[in-house]
Amino acid sequence: NAGVMQNPRHLVRRRGQEARLRCSPMKGHSHVYWYRQLPEEGLKFMVYLQKENIIDESGMPKERFSAEFPKEGPSILRIQQVVRGDSAAYFCASSPRPLNTGELFFGEGSRLTVL
Amino acid sequence: SQQGEEDPQALSIQEGENATMNCSYKTSINNLQWYRQNSGRGLVHLILIRSNEREKHSGRLRVTLDTSKKSSSLLITASRAADTASYFCATDADSNYQLIWGAGTKLIIKP
Repeated sequence: NAGVMQNPRHLVRRRGQEARLRCSPMKGHSHVYWYRQLPEEGLKFMVYLQKENIIDESGMPKERFSAEFPKEGPSILRIQQVVRGDSAAYFCASSPRPLNTGELFFGEGSRLTVL
Repeated sequence: SQQGEEDPQALSIQEGENATMNCSYKTSINNLQWYRQNSGRGLVHLILIRSNEREKHSGRLRVTLDTSKKSSSLLITASRAADTASYFCATDADSNYQLIWGAGTKLIIKP
């Protein structure tokens, strides 16, 4: 049973370009969470999705950032017109049940560098 | 503000010694979780302890929870070089969807 798969692992973009990060949850998991982590810091919640629905996007900037989890295919975190401050590691996690009932399974992260 | 705050920020001990990390939080919780993160990798779940539990064990790991003090501790006994990692606590706070994370404790085990 493959774990949470994220790609790309590393992404370099110039300011103003778009970054698109993908996450395939573990098989059987319908709850997906995106987190952002700066060096030497903890995780910051961005968005929680279930299939075809955004449940909670309160941690995601309203401009330039969007997320989706379509019926078919991976969840996508999209950052438009990237700025240097977007440089961070972005982690996706999945769970088979709502969060407060159990653990999260994390991917290895996508490290975005904005030049 | 941070819900979970770990201390110490960094801990360096000799292999074979015990390592203790603490986590404090501010609001009521349903459960508290501990995760490990090796450098450059994703997080791995270690233990979940529910608010009605006081202590939990998993192999060389022992977690305690004191809801009156709003604190938890993670003890790693007989540490090994492979335990070198950052350790994070996370609480569910009042949300069904969000885990609130501390900044982590960076543990270094010297061989």
